[in-house]
Amino acid sequence: DAKTTQPPSMDCAEGRAANLPCNHSTISGNEYVYWYRQIHSQGPQYIIHGLKNNETNEMASLIITEDRKSSTLILPHATLRDTAVYYCIVRGPLSSARQLTFGSGTQLTVLP
Amino acid sequence: EAQVTQNPRYLITVTGKKLTVTCSQNMNHEYMSWYRQDPGLGLRQIYYSMNVEVTDKGDVPEGYKVSRKEKRNFPLILESPSPNQTSLYFCASSFYDRELQYFGPGTRLTVT
Repeated sequence: DAKTTQPPSMDCAEGRAANLPCNHSTISGNEYVYWYRQIHSQGPQYIIHGLKNNETNEMASLIITEDRKSSTLILPHATLRDTAVYYCIVRGPLSSARQLTFGSGTQLTVLP
Repeated sequence: EAQVTQNPRYLITVTGKKLTVTCSQNMNHEYMSWYRQDPGLGLRQIYYSMNVEVTDKGDVPEGYKVSRKEKRNFPLILESPSPNQTSLYFCASSFYDRELQYFGPGTRLTVT
């Protein structure tokens, strides 16, 4: 799986958009970008994933650059309950490892 | 509602007393796995199962057993728990091992 780089922490004001970046410069053509989050001591929660087109669901939007070397997860109106560690994972059908590898992630703190 | 359930959610036990943590999913997923999460070490895979009666070791299998007699259930067995197995455990499932996985709520185990 391609390695990802995320900032260790970010703050966001409640009600504002939270933009979480992820670099994955070694991504290969068949690898997807997945985003999970983990609220303190709860099970990791799937948020969204994409291959090359931008994606949107009820939780978030995923913007992937044209060269696919980086992406941004957007929480359009962050709430206090969005405070969590956010993980960007790159993975594909030909990945060598069966398990998900969670890096350090980004600790997002939503401030009132 | 599609979900992965684990029981118990919290358990305090003593060294050497056999215990089982159950995991069940209602999504007809073929792939199931167990992870443990420890501070500073992230999520590490213990065992996984590709389908009924098919299981294999993950990164940290020592001291654990699993079974997969039915598609929906994947219990984690600690035959003789030790204090170094004190951890937060997560069960996960997916249709295929290299796609997005759904996680259970976690089981916090303390072995004294």
